[in-house]
Amino acid sequence: QLQLQESGPGLVKPSETLSLTCTVSGGSISSSSYYWGWIRQPPGKGLEWIGSIYYSGSTYYNPSLKSRVTISVDTSKNQFSLKLSSVTAADTAVYYCARGFYIIAVAGTEFDYWGQGTLVTVSS
Amino acid sequence: DIQMTQSPSTLSASVGDRVTITCRASQSISSWLAWYQQKPGKAPKLLIYKASSLESGVPSRFSGSGSGTEFTLTISSLQPDDFATYYCQQYNSYSTFGPGTKVDIK
Repeated sequence: QLQLQESGPGLVKPSETLSLTCTVSGGSISSSSYYWGWIRQPPGKGLEWIGSIYYSGSTYYNPSLKSRVTISVDTSKNQFSLKLSSVTAADTAVYYCARGFYIIAVAGTEFDYWGQGTLVTVSS
Repeated sequence: DIQMTQSPSTLSASVGDRVTITCRASQSISSWLAWYQQKPGKAPKLLIYKASSLESGVPSRFSGSGSGTEFTLTISSLQPDDFATYYCQQYNSYSTFGPGTKVDIK
């Protein structure tokens, strides 16, 4: 059974960089069939897609966050990571990592497996 | 950017009711739409993909329909486990989620 687990600091200071890692177990991140994505959810609010990465390193980012986001993949560790720079209180959220299908026709995917999520609070 | 809207934002219903949630896209997304169920403190769960395809393991009382800009999620007979928040997601152009519809007990 595929499992995804987010890890990283739960508290980040304003203007600093938020860094999270997602470890994938029970399956290979190098499969050509899947994308790997980050989605966040501010407390009490809806879901926001942050970006996705293919095992080759190809990335898609939410245009509204693109200038601050970097997603990378480490196939040797079966992990992918998120960096979000210059954070503010508005970046406080539960951050989820998830698996999506590679769909050749579109630059997007539905997400079928999700991590449990990790709360990141931006505060001094 | 493609914007997604959902209606209603909150829906009060009873066990056994037929429930319909509507999702609209600001431009055509063909059938590239998914529906998720989320319970408090939990990750979203994929219910429907490509507008009408039922995810493996999801009860058949859930169904999806639509194409282009208007889509619906129907629960044919609401069960106690179905009280939750439901989100639509377009993935025709990157990804955008709708604002959610909370289904609560009437």
